[in-house]
Amino acid sequence: DAGVIQSPRHEVTEMGQEVTLRCKLISGHNSLFWYRQTMMRGLELLIYFNNNVPIDDSGMPEDRFSAKMPNASFSTLKIQPSEPRDSAVYFCASTLRQSRTTEAFFGQGTRLTVV
Amino acid sequence: DAKTTQPPSMDCAEGRAANLPCNHSTISGNEYVYWYRQIHSQGPQYIIHGLKNNETNEMASLIITEDRKSSTLILPHATLRDTAVYYCIVRGNTGNQFYFGTGTSLTVIP
Repeated sequence: DAGVIQSPRHEVTEMGQEVTLRCKLISGHNSLFWYRQTMMRGLELLIYFNNNVPIDDSGMPEDRFSAKMPNASFSTLKIQPSEPRDSAVYFCASTLRQSRTTEAFFGQGTRLTVV
Repeated sequence: DAKTTQPPSMDCAEGRAANLPCNHSTISGNEYVYWYRQIHSQGPQYIIHGLKNNETNEMASLIITEDRKSSTLILPHATLRDTAVYYCIVRGNTGNQFYFGTGTSLTVIP
């Protein structure tokens, strides 16, 4: 398996524009996490899905952020409208099942720059 | 989930064992200890996890104290490629999530 795949790897956009980040889970995995990483705040958990259902979105910063899983293997994180403070590296990760005993595998991230 | 405390930075000579400590004094009985590392700006990489027994895999060993209040990640023969930020995570009670702290920045010195 190619692992968790994120696209694009880099995104530069102007303030106010809509941004969509994409994530393909490892085949067979059913739990998905979206994280954001900045120098100031480190790795923050934004939202967690299990079997396509959002379980915990308490980390989503505000209504400008939304995440979906249209099917079991794919997720999107959308920011509309984007702001400069959204500039960060966004990671997604997946696990085989909802369990304390299974590790999460991370993608290589999308580096977002909002100018 | 229980909070973890790690030293902010450590150095290790190449070829020597790197011992990275983690305190998790409020860990409860069903919470697992996980270790991840992040090299430069890559995605975090899973290393190892355990509940109460010591664990070993091809990357590292995990030593958990008998009272489970602390653990040590051991890289037996550190190489320059092991330079990274290492995160200790306690996972269990509040669900499936991984919450990352600030980690330990390990520098392997030639």
